[in-house]
Amino acid sequence: AQSVAQPEDQVNVAEGNPLTVKCTYSVSGNPYLFWYVQYPNRGLQFLLKYITGDNLVKGSYGFEAEFNKSQTSFHLKKPSALVSDSALYFCAVRDWGTGFQKLVFGTGTRLLVSP
Amino acid sequence: DSGVTQTPKHLITATGQRVTLRCSPRSGDLSVYWYQQSLDQGLQFLIQYYNGEERAKGNILERFSAQQFPDLHSELNLSSLELGDSALYFCASSVESRTGGAKNIQYFGAGTRLSVL
Repeated sequence: AQSVAQPEDQVNVAEGNPLTVKCTYSVSGNPYLFWYVQYPNRGLQFLLKYITGDNLVKGSYGFEAEFNKSQTSFHLKKPSALVSDSALYFCAVRDWGTGFQKLVFGTGTRLLVSP
Repeated sequence: DSGVTQTPKHLITATGQRVTLRCSPRSGDLSVYWYQQSLDQGLQFLIQYYNGEERAKGNILERFSAQQFPDLHSELNLSSLELGDSALYFCASSVESRTGGAKNIQYFGAGTRLSVL
């Protein structure tokens, strides 16, 4: 079965500094990887996805993610963090097979950006 | 705004009761997914429907059931509620076809927060 792991419960970064939220994956076959963000009392918002192609994927709100096959990682990055980026971030992998295409989520990483 | 609408936003009920959560997918999306988010279990897939048919089941309890109607909206029915059913329930939709579409994005609603007292 496909799975992802987010090793950090929380990441703290100062505004203006670069941020990285880590994700590693375990899949059989080609990985379809996603990042979502959840703000308080809100649903999950799609940030970006990796299917195939360029290992550096650009997404919404200035976020990008780097796919690394040898390290089985898909870390989320942003060059300069904003206080408004503070939220809960989820990495997910598509678990697909005959008839189903569910998302399998990591445990989430809380990002706190301090002013 | 994702285009996925969930009602109600909040539900407070008592143990043993039954509730219905409603989801309207994005226009044109045929697939609907239900997920449960709780503190101890995280985000877990419950069930998927495609164009009115059940496609896959995840960690869904027998006390829970769902359906997708001809207009593509979906309802999640939770019965004989227990304290442990308190959670945030999300609906997501996507344009998957019957046999493909794993690459497609799932768009999530804002969720229904269920509190069982």
